[in-house]
Amino acid sequence: EPEVTQTPSHQVTQMGQEVILRCVPISNHLYFYWYRQILGQKVEFLVSFYNNEISEKSEIFDDQFSVERPDGSNFTLKIRSTKLEDSAMYFCASTFLAGGPSSYNEQFFGPGTRLTVL
Amino acid sequence: AQSVTQLDSQVPVFEEAPVELRCNYSSSVSVYLFWYVQYPNQGLQLLLKYLSGSTLVKGINGFEAEFNKSQTSFHLRKPSVHISDTAEYFCAVLGGSYIPTFGRGTSLIVHP
Repeated sequence: EPEVTQTPSHQVTQMGQEVILRCVPISNHLYFYWYRQILGQKVEFLVSFYNNEISEKSEIFDDQFSVERPDGSNFTLKIRSTKLEDSAMYFCASTFLAGGPSSYNEQFFGPGTRLTVL
Repeated sequence: AQSVTQLDSQVPVFEEAPVELRCNYSSSVSVYLFWYVQYPNQGLQLLLKYLSGSTLVKGINGFEAEFNKSQTSFHLRKPSVHISDTAEYFCAVLGGSYIPTFGRGTSLIVHP
């Protein structure tokens, strides 16, 4: 069964360093998402991506964040200069279509990358 | 704006006992509700969804949820849990842009 994969499973970095979190969405999916979950808090939407551009982003997704689909399979989230408060679990998700509820297409989630900023 | 509240961060229960995981929501648009499950070291998986129609929704692994508009709730239930149900459960409401807003999750711990 196809699945979304994420690497690494755990990333430890020093404050101020750049990190790149990688995701491989399901191969025929067209819409891609990043979410994060700070320990003990809600899963929060960061950004959605379609046709090689951002389609929507939350207020969390500031200039420190960027996303890219560098090739036909990977979808990456870059944090340019990490802060302590960026420590969280980051989930990637993908879906074939992003329609309304009557044709709601389930988002398939990866297992997450735990980012720890020291 | 939409929001989801999962009041219980952790629910311990013995195997074969019934369980209810609580979810309350608020939404300024039409209500579409979901429960996701996350097993250890895996991604979030859709358990069930309410889009319209019958307020009692059945999902995978014997779970069901009831949409209660007057109570603004969508509680998840299972009459008899197994050890393998130990996981994190997330309630979500679909926003106006069709992106889910999640609760903080409830950790279901099933003891033998």
